[in-house]
Formats: sequence, C-alpha cells, structure tokens
Amino acid sequence: ETGVTQSPTHLIKTRGQQVTLRCSSQSGHNTVSWYQQALGQGPQFIFQYYREEENGRGNFPPRFSGLQFPNYSSELNVNALELDDSALYLCASSRTSLNEQFFGPGTRLTVL
Amino acid sequence: SQQGEEDPQALSIQEGENATMNCSYKTSINNLQWYRQNSGRGLVHLILIRSNEREKHSGRLRVTLDTSKKSSSLLITASRAADTASYFCATSGTSGSRLTFGEGTQLTVNP
Repeated sequence: ETGVTQSPTHLIKTRGQQVTLRCSSQSGHNTVSWYQQALGQGPQFIFQYYREEENGRGNFPPRFSGLQFPNYSSELNVNALELDDSALYLCASSRTSLNEQFFGPGTRLTVL
Repeated sequence: SQQGEEDPQALSIQEGENATMNCSYKTSINNLQWYRQNSGRGLVHLILIRSNEREKHSGRLRVTLDTSKKSSSLLITASRAADTASYFCATSGTSGSRLTFGEGTQLTVNP
C-alpha cells in the first residue's frame, strides 16, 4: 500500500459528458502527478501539481484540467468526453518533483 | 510519444530462473525508475537509480544504468510465480516533473 488513494474505482460515462476524478496524496507529499494509461500501453503524463500550482503538462488538450488543494489532494477534470478517453487514470504523489512517485490504484474510466 | 523502450515486450520463464528486462531512452535523465503493474492495477514502485549511479540492489532486484548508452536493465533473480506482471521503466528529466514511461515488458513466471 502506497497511501495514495483514488476515487472512484470505476466510472462509466457517455460521450460529451464531464468527469471528475479524485486523488489523496501520501502523507508528507506535496506533489501530485496524473497519468493516462490506455490498454496495453505505458502511462502517459497529463500534468503535475506542486504546492497547488501546475508544474508541467503533457500533450493533452485543455479539456483536461486539474486542481490541487491546500491539503495536497488533487482532482482531474475532463470535459466533453471522447471515446478515446477510455483508460486507466493514475495519480502519483511524491515528496518533491524530483523524488520517487508512488501511485494510487487508479480509476478505470469507460466512455460509451 | 514514449521515451523509453523496453525489451523484450514479453518474457516467459520458469520459476527459479532469472529474468532480465532492458530499457532504452533518448534524452538526458535525472533518474530512472522501475515499476511493476499487476493486471491493469496501480503501479508499484520497485527501485530508483540516479544518473550518477551505475548499479543498485534491492532484495532480488538488481538494476544497472549506463548513461553513455542511455540504457538500463532490471534483473529479477530466483523468480516466483508472484512476479508475473508488467514491468515498466520510467525516466525523469533534469528538470523533474514528468515521468516518461516505456511500453513495458510482460513477464510470465510459470510454476
């Protein structure tokens, strides 16, 4: 157990809808990163938050947005869902942006 | 696009044998990390090796890093059926922030 939790575990949405995924970081960690993992592929970096500020973003469109709260938990919001957004969404926390990242169990999103 | 590439894509061995997985990357790194993933679940952190280190051990795991060849290897000794999983290498650049993952190696350890 890494101490990183994610909710919900599974989610089914339809095209065009919006979704919010949540992540609680490990105690003592102020950095949260989000990744998207399509079936059979490695995770792809979406963005990272450090002390409530975005600290790097991958090649994802603006409809992917995030937030980090004062307690360092985080949300990932995806608007106007597309079929290709179906994936496992992983969040990871770390003590700083240069340290090991510890992953939560992920949220499996299915877009119909 | 993925920076890392794991080799082989799939590996099947018998319990007790050693398993070696390789990873190559393209740009300068701050560190390289290896992760394990069971059946589409979360990633489990195995080991981190920094760019100024050449070898690191943790239990039955041995990781090497060759920055001149931009490659790393993960050796699992005396494998067990429970080691069956996908293994990913991930690199962190000099500015930190993102991890860039390879496509992974699917390891199957047969009892």
